[in-house]
Amino acid sequence: GAVVSQHPSWVICKSGTSVKIECRSLDFQATTMFWYRQFPKQSLMLMATSNEGSKATYEQGVEKDKFLINHASLTLSTLTVTSAHPEDSSFYICSARPRTRALYGYTFGSGTRLTVV
Amino acid sequence: DQQVKQNSPSLSVQEGRISILICDYTNSMFDYFLWYKKYPAEGPTFLISISSIKDKNEDGRFTVFLNKSAKHLSLHIVPSQPGDSAVYFCAASASIQGAQKLVFGQGTRLTINP
Repeated sequence: GAVVSQHPSWVICKSGTSVKIECRSLDFQATTMFWYRQFPKQSLMLMATSNEGSKATYEQGVEKDKFLINHASLTLSTLTVTSAHPEDSSFYICSARPRTRALYGYTFGSGTRLTVV
Repeated sequence: DQQVKQNSPSLSVQEGRISILICDYTNSMFDYFLWYKKYPAEGPTFLISISSIKDKNEDGRFTVFLNKSAKHLSLHIVPSQPGDSAVYFCAASASIQGAQKLVFGQGTRLTINP
C-alpha cells in the first residue's frame, strides 16, 4: 500500500514552454505532498510543500511564479514549470504520507526527468 | 548551508562484508533521522529510521547508529549483497521546525563487488 504515482517519468520540452508534472497518491489520501528536485550527483532539495485546498509553501530561493503548484484534491498535486529554461533541467520527485502512517512514513514517486532544450 | 552531510560520495565493498555509510549533521534541532535507498531514475525508498531518543535501531541486515553528541549517524549493512548497490541518502527532520520537512544529504553511492 501507500503508492505514489508520478507522471510523466521523463519529458523533453523546448525552452520557453511550460511543463506539468502530476503526483498522485493511488491508495491513500494526502493532505500534504512535497516536491523535490535533484541535480546530478547532488542531494534532493525540497522545493515546496503542497497543501490540499490552499497555497503551497515554497522554500527559500524557489520562485513560486515559475514553479506553480496546485493541490486541488486529496490525491493529486501538480507542479508546472512555466517558461522552462535549460537550467530547469533536473530530476523532480514528489512524496506524500498517508495520514494513518507514522509521522515519517513518506512514500516517494518515481520521479520525472525534465530536459529543456 | 549543507545541514546534512555525507562526505563520502562513493563506497565499494566486497560481497558478504559489512558496509558502513556515514552521515553528519549540524542542526542540533534535528530529532529524527532516516536512511533511503535510491536507484537511478527512481524515487528513494525508505530503509530504516531512528529517533533521537535512541542510539541504535536494527532491522534485519540494516542497523542505524546515532551519536547525538557528535551529531553523527551511520548505517551498517551486513552482510552486504549485490542488490544493495545503490545510492544511499540520509535525511533528517526537526519536529519543532515543522515535522514533515526532510533535509537530505548528498548521497553515497555504494557498490557491492561479487
